[in-house]
Amino acid sequence: DVKVTQSSRYLVKRTGEKVFLECVQDMDHENMFWYRQDPGLGLRLIYFSYDVKMKEKGDIPEGYSVSREKKERFSLILESASTNQTSMYLCASSRGQGLLNEQFFGPGTRLTVL
Amino acid sequence: KQEVTQIPAALSVPEGENLVLNCSFTDSAIYNLQWFRQDPGKGLTSLLLIQSSQREQTSGRLNASLDKSSGRSTLYIAASQPGDSATYLCAVTFTGAQKLVFGQGTRLTINP
Repeated sequence: DVKVTQSSRYLVKRTGEKVFLECVQDMDHENMFWYRQDPGLGLRLIYFSYDVKMKEKGDIPEGYSVSREKKERFSLILESASTNQTSMYLCASSRGQGLLNEQFFGPGTRLTVL
Repeated sequence: KQEVTQIPAALSVPEGENLVLNCSFTDSAIYNLQWFRQDPGKGLTSLLLIQSSQREQTSGRLNASLDKSSGRSTLYIAASQPGDSATYLCAVTFTGAQKLVFGQGTRLTINP
């Protein structure tokens, strides 16, 4: 079974802090994704990566950056956290070339920015 | 605009009933459609993936159908159980978009 893990289930940070969210997958998937999920807005894609050191902006990249130094790990970085970044963050991965294969999700990190 | 819609937003049925969840999408040019389940406060669990060339996929008590021409997919759940209570999300990869577009989900409650 594919396993996608996220470093924290719950995280509380203060406005202006730098925040790192980590995601690791154990199935040698090429593609990895970061989403955020908000009531009434659904899931929105922040960034994705189709290879090591490669990244592409999703629908809402502002205020975020990402890093993929190893194939199994994809990090989401909030350079200066703000209250409007309080949300559920979900990481996903999929295999193969392109982005068309089944996506597998991690358990999510609920981030609260005070 | 490429959008995915799920109606109703919430559904409550007695245990044992067969039920259908609906998903509609605005553009028939799709690569695939994926159904997910999400329990409260948790991540998404992939249930079924239907490629554009397929008409349906089955897994246990679940059957998902795809009708591209009408822009619709249904998720059929047979003999529902209280453990099926969750939010069910439909997501589509539109041609040229190279990403999943999610519906808002249907929150399903199975009453014992």
